[in-house]
This record gives sequence, structure tokens and C-alpha cells, in this order.
Amino acid sequence: EVQLVESGGGLVQPGGSLRLSCATSGFTFSTYGMNWVRQAPGKRLEWVSYISHSGASIYYADSVKGRFTISRDNAKNSLYLQMNSLRDEDTAIYYCARASQTGYDYWGQGTLVTVSS
Amino acid sequence: EIVMTQSPATLSVSPGERATLSCRASQGVSSNLAWYQQKPGQAPRLLIYGASTRATGVPARFSGSGSGTEFTLTISSLQSEDFAVYYCQQYNNWPLWTFGQGTKVEIK
Repeated sequence: EVQLVESGGGLVQPGGSLRLSCATSGFTFSTYGMNWVRQAPGKRLEWVSYISHSGASIYYADSVKGRFTISRDNAKNSLYLQMNSLRDEDTAIYYCARASQTGYDYWGQGTLVTVSS
Repeated sequence: EIVMTQSPATLSVSPGERATLSCRASQGVSSNLAWYQQKPGQAPRLLIYGASTRATGVPARFSGSGSGTEFTLTISSLQSEDFAVYYCQQYNNWPLWTFGQGTKVEIK
């Protein structure tokens, strides 16, 4: 069974940092590109970042470019998102999602990030 | 960026009735269109990909159609477990895959 489990969310002040993790199991992690997708309260889902299976290709949404860093450890079957210089508008549930040729076929349950003073 | 627009925002339907949800893309996305179902407190679940192919385990009462810029998700006979928010998503413009704003299907 494919499983993705996020952790690391919490309350942080504007300008602060957080590191999200996504532990995976049930599939060959090293052969799939992975994404972070977020959902702010009352807003639509928003793609945040993508990393290829090897880590060689990385992309970011303009809204987080220069502040967020995606990475992965294929030996640990884990995906990460380092978030720096956090803003109020980064408040959201953050999901890790597996990329396939047909969309995001598996999602984690999400971790809530709240940026507030 | 391809903008996805869904209508209506809310659809009130009685159990057993048919629901028809619409999704429009600001530019053509071929058949690279997916539908997701999201229930409160849960992650989105992939229902339909390729505009019309049901994902594994999705009941046959869910069907998708369309190509280019106009798409439809139909739920033929609504069950209690189908009341949720539905999102369309284009995956034609990789990696900037974009979502619609969602349609909430509620009990009438």
C-alpha cells in the first residue's frame, strides 16, 4: 500500500523557518518525481515545488522561489521542504504528492503550517 | 499560467440524482485533465485522469468527458459518500499544474 506521511508543520512567526518532511512507503520512491502542494484556508490547491526522481531537476512556484528549498533522500524514502522567510500568505496545509503521467496519484494527509505573530 | 475555472461554485443535489460539474481551461490542455475529490479533513483523491479514465477503485457512477478547454464530471446517481468538494486540474503545462477553485456538492 502506498503511503505518504507529512510532518514538521506548526506555528511560526513571520520571517521564521520550518522544515517539512514526507516519509513514504509502498512504492519505489527513487523512481518517482515528487511534489509539494499547498492549500490555504478557503483557497484552491496550489503547486509549490517539484523534484525529479534523482533530484537533478527542481522547480518552484514563483510565490516561493528563493525562500523554499525542496530536497529528497532516496536512501530514506523521504521528501523535504525547507521553508525560510515565511510570510502570512504561506499559511496553508502542505501536502506531499506523487507525480505520475496522469496527475498527482497519491497524496499525504497534509501538515498545517501557520505563520502568525 | 493556465487558469482553470469551475462552475458552479456550489451544487445542491438530492441523493440518487445526477450531478454535472464543469471545468474550463484558459487555453487548450488536450486531454491532460484530472478530477479530484476532497472530503473535509482529508487529502484530495484522484478520481479521473486523461479527462475520462477512472482511477483505480473509482465507482462507475463517476464519468468524465471533454477535451481542449471544456470538461465535465458527471456523477450519475449521488450516494451519501459523494458529497464533497471536487477539483479539476490540468497537467498539460508541466510542472506548473494548476487547479480550479473547486465545486462543492452538497445535500439538497
